[in-house]
Amino acid sequence: EAQVTQNPRYLITVTGKKLTVTCSQNMNHEYMSWYRQDPGLGLRQIYYSMNVEVTDKGDVPEGYKVSRKEKRNFPLILESPSPNQTSLYFCASSLLSDSSYNEQFFGPGTRLTVL
Amino acid sequence: AQKITQTQPGMFVQEKEAVTLDCTYDTSDPSYGLFWYKQPSSGEMIFLIYQGSYDQQNATEGRYSLNFQKARKSANLVISASQLGDSAMYFCAMREDAAFGNEKLTFGTGTRLTIIP
Repeated sequence: EAQVTQNPRYLITVTGKKLTVTCSQNMNHEYMSWYRQDPGLGLRQIYYSMNVEVTDKGDVPEGYKVSRKEKRNFPLILESPSPNQTSLYFCASSLLSDSSYNEQFFGPGTRLTVL
Repeated sequence: AQKITQTQPGMFVQEKEAVTLDCTYDTSDPSYGLFWYKQPSSGEMIFLIYQGSYDQQNATEGRYSLNFQKARKSANLVISASQLGDSAMYFCAMREDAAFGNEKLTFGTGTRLTIIP
């Protein structure tokens, strides 16, 4: 089954304790991206990757790191989480396309609470 | 400036009625795509419907249709014969072709739809 998986699905942590949210896709997609969802703000892009070893900042990258060592995996790293990073996080993947129709496949979401 | 505007934070609709969720957008890119997603209380993002900027006809997918008015820059989602299972948050999103390499979707703030039995 074609899918994007994220782990963990739920996480409660404390300020300053490094954490990693994993994302994996089995569709051989070049493109992967992280979004965060906050009430009243919709989803905003954090980082994206066009392919292995190619990553770039999205709209809200502060406080986050990513890596893309393998095509299927795109982990999100919070080196020193703060309460303002409490949010619902989505990983998404797609092919790279020059067409405006390019469906992105979303993971199930990771609900993170930073105390 | 907001690229995607959804002006209805919440809506209540009687079951079996039709509902229109508003979405306006702003872009200078002549080629773009508009997407609607449904997010039920379980949290996942479910793709509903797509409209391309060059599409001549309004998109339809089962009970979902998109009322695309290009000159007004609006892409309203119409759900016919609403069902209790339609209760969810709905997001309008846009992909601009000029952003090739970054397949970013720009999202609106969402509309929470509640269907009343």
